[in-house]
Amino acid sequence: QVQLVESGGGVVQPGRSLRLSCAASGFTFSSYGMHWVRQAPGKGLEWVAVIWYDGSNKYYADSVKGRFTISRDNSKNTLYLQMNSLRAEDTAVYYCARDKGPLDVWGKGTTVTVSS
Amino acid sequence: ETTLTQSPAFMSATPGDKVNISCKASQDIDDDMNWYQQKPGEAAIFIIQEATTLVPGIPPRFSGSGYGTDFTLTINNIESEDAAYYFCLQHDNFPLTFGGGTKVEIK
Repeated sequence: QVQLVESGGGVVQPGRSLRLSCAASGFTFSSYGMHWVRQAPGKGLEWVAVIWYDGSNKYYADSVKGRFTISRDNSKNTLYLQMNSLRAEDTAVYYCARDKGPLDVWGKGTTVTVSS
Repeated sequence: ETTLTQSPAFMSATPGDKVNISCKASQDIDDDMNWYQQKPGEAAIFIIQEATTLVPGIPPRFSGSGYGTDFTLTINNIESEDAAYYFCLQHDNFPLTFGGGTKVEIK
């Protein structure tokens, strides 16, 4: 079945970096754009970034532009989110989602905590 | 940026009730509205697309209505398994934006 599994979350100090991964299965990954979405504790969901099916276009929320980079490896069916210069306000559960509908399939999320 | 105002933030319902959740957009978004259900620790489930279309496999007690700026998710004859967090998403323009969410409790 169609499945997305995020990994790579953890506790990191402010200013440091972290890379999240999203492993896709059950569908032709290279045919779909992909998104990252996050939810901070006690807050609503926030869209983070999107990448086109072939990686040709990428768009970011203003809150992460210049610090986060979305990428993908279609040969590995994997989506990435490189997060640099992390701040306390980046603390959240990060979800990946497929761009059909859009956002028709979601993962369960991985938790990132930015704290000293 | 389109702001989505979702209400109520919390509601408690009895099995068999009809439940309405509202999502109001700060500008016209046509029918570019989706609704989702999420339970703790689980992946979000896509339940309504394009404001009114039930996603295949979703029980028909769920329905969506609205166009432009006012949208509603309705759950008829709510069941205990419908206890969850519900949220709306607009995909008319970037950045995609979400409503603040509604936690539905079943008594």
